[in-house]
Amino acid sequence: GENVEQHPSTLSVQEGDSAVIKCTYSDSASNYFPWYKQELGKRPQLIIDIRSNVGEKKDQRIAVTLNKTAKHFSLHITETQPEDSAVYFCAASINDYKLSFGAGTTVTVRA
Amino acid sequence: EAGVVQSPRYKIIEKKQPVAFWCNPISGHNTLYWYLQNLGQGPELLIRYENEEAVDDSQLPKDRFSAERLKGVDSTLKIQPAELGDSAVYLCASSLMGGNTEAFFGQGTRLTVV
Repeated sequence: GENVEQHPSTLSVQEGDSAVIKCTYSDSASNYFPWYKQELGKRPQLIIDIRSNVGEKKDQRIAVTLNKTAKHFSLHITETQPEDSAVYFCAASINDYKLSFGAGTTVTVRA
Repeated sequence: EAGVVQSPRYKIIEKKQPVAFWCNPISGHNTLYWYLQNLGQGPELLIRYENEEAVDDSQLPKDRFSAERLKGVDSTLKIQPAELGDSAVYLCASSLMGGNTEAFFGQGTRLTVV
């Protein structure tokens, strides 16, 4: 089955700086890569996703890049704010809808 | 419109006791998932339904776990008997049928087995 690895496990950044989280996946047939944000005690919520026919996608301060050859994708958050503090999960799936999640990255934005 | 609704939010039981979780997905969402989330880990799929059919239950420990979605809407997940290692958050999610569409998660049920 699909194996998704996520790094780093924790990330502390100064407010206003950028944060980058990287994930690798094992199954080259994976074609859908969502990112979820989970605040403490709350549900995971989709923040951005990318499909395998696109190399990069941006939505305001967040962007995701995908390198299919290397089988890795990354989340970039620019101009970080305190409300960006949360756990971020990457995931990958093939057309069978089964999402395989990474272990998560705890992001702390220091004021 | 209400999102995915789960109940209860918290449950504490003694080991060897049964427990059940309930999920009401977003209206119109044919696909329903149950995930297990251990502390500090990402969600792991237990079972996926397309309407009332369980199309992927390969990760469900069938000796003690069972699930049903009788009318293709609400779903229940049951553990009998519960073990200490079952302590975790059980998340329900739903999505439109069609593949690779956004999965919307419920708040989860935090189970503690003592």
